[in-house]
Amino acid sequence: GESVGLHLPTLSVQEGDNSIINCAYSNSASDYFIWYKQESGKGPQFIIDIRSNMDKRQGQRVTVLLNKTVKHLSLQIAATQPGDSAVYFCAENRNAGGTSYGKLTFGQGTILTVHP
Amino acid sequence: EPEVTQTPSHQVTQMGQEVILRCVPISNHLYFYWYRQILGQKVEFLVSFYNNEISEKSEIFDDQFSVERPDGSNFTLKIRSTKLEDSAMYFCASSEASGLRKLFFGSGTQLSVL
Repeated sequence: GESVGLHLPTLSVQEGDNSIINCAYSNSASDYFIWYKQESGKGPQFIIDIRSNMDKRQGQRVTVLLNKTVKHLSLQIAATQPGDSAVYFCAENRNAGGTSYGKLTFGQGTILTVHP
Repeated sequence: EPEVTQTPSHQVTQMGQEVILRCVPISNHLYFYWYRQILGQKVEFLVSFYNNEISEKSEIFDDQFSVERPDGSNFTLKIRSTKLEDSAMYFCASSEASGLRKLFFGSGTQLSVL
């Protein structure tokens, strides 16, 4: 069945370090992946996305890597800041036709704590 | 920056009562969604809505749930007879035609059924 899961439920880093958050997915038909950040009391906030025809995509201080061979997704945050402390979710989508585009399957989340 | 807004932020209700959760999606978005997150669990898809009709719904979205876009700006989720297990954070989301799968979420409504 479809599932998206995270290897590490918590991650603590020092300010300025690089952070890597991992995600495993099991549905080989997934062709779109998103990382969301959720701060306390707020909804998921879009960080970066990647399509399955890519293996790397960079944004501002963030990079997403996709390894389709082992069904693994990672989010790298450079020079992590205290404001990056949040829960990070990966989500996947399988293009099954026009009605399925907004049906995201979320992972369980990783708590990132950045210490000053 | 445009955002999805949800009201109320917290809703407490008695079991068996009807609740309506309200959302104002981003104005130029055409696709609307409801998700929920039970405490300690994953965010789960409930329903997608486009062109004034449901596009897709999950097995969670049974006959007790309904959605409506009563006017040009609001998008609502109604639970007709709430159960204890409906207690969760409910998130509304929207997306635009040029980026269907890039969902923007609201801050959620925390529903507590007593």
